[in-house]
Amino acid sequence: GIQVEQSPPDLILQEGANSTLRCNFSDSVNNLQWFHQNPWGQLINLFYIPSGTKQNGRLSATTVATERYSLLYISSSQTTDSGVYFCAVERRDQAGTALIFGKGTTLSVSS
Amino acid sequence: EPEVTQTPSHQVTQMGQEVILRCVPISNHLYFYWYRQILGQKVEFLVSFYNNEISEKSEIFDDQFSVERPDGSNFTLKIRSTKLEDSAMYFCASSMETEAFFGQGTRLTVV
Repeated sequence: GIQVEQSPPDLILQEGANSTLRCNFSDSVNNLQWFHQNPWGQLINLFYIPSGTKQNGRLSATTVATERYSLLYISSSQTTDSGVYFCAVERRDQAGTALIFGKGTTLSVSS
Repeated sequence: EPEVTQTPSHQVTQMGQEVILRCVPISNHLYFYWYRQILGQKVEFLVSFYNNEISEKSEIFDDQFSVERPDGSNFTLKIRSTKLEDSAMYFCASSMETEAFFGQGTRLTVV
């Protein structure tokens, strides 16, 4: 099955700093999503981005499908950005469909 | 805004008992998923469901587990003979063909 690797596993930032989170995947995919898991455990959709670049406020994401990686950029980080960021990829074929998660990057932003 | 709804939010059960976790996916979605997250660990794929049958399942999804879509709206996960190690957050998700949306989760505690 598809392997998803996220880096770094942990990231500690001061408020206002910028960061880049990386997601590598082992095969071509139909779907790639970034999620933020908040302290209450909810999985919040950040981006649906199987290819290309998207921006939403201080967050942006880029997926280079041909090179099998995606990047999540967080600018001017705030304490509320703390939590775990997951990348998840999905491949749909005759064998079925499954959205597979990486192990996540745990981000801690301090004031 | 349409959302995936899971009930109950928290369930405590005795070891060996059967539990049924319920999900109401977004109404026009076609793909349904169940995931498990043991505290502090990654989000693990259990099973996907499409066209009224299992599309793909992980090695975790053994004979202890089953899924059903008993009517046009609900999607259930049944866990038989619960064990202590089944204690986890269980997430349901649904998608049309692109972005998947997750419910808020059911925290299952087996005592």
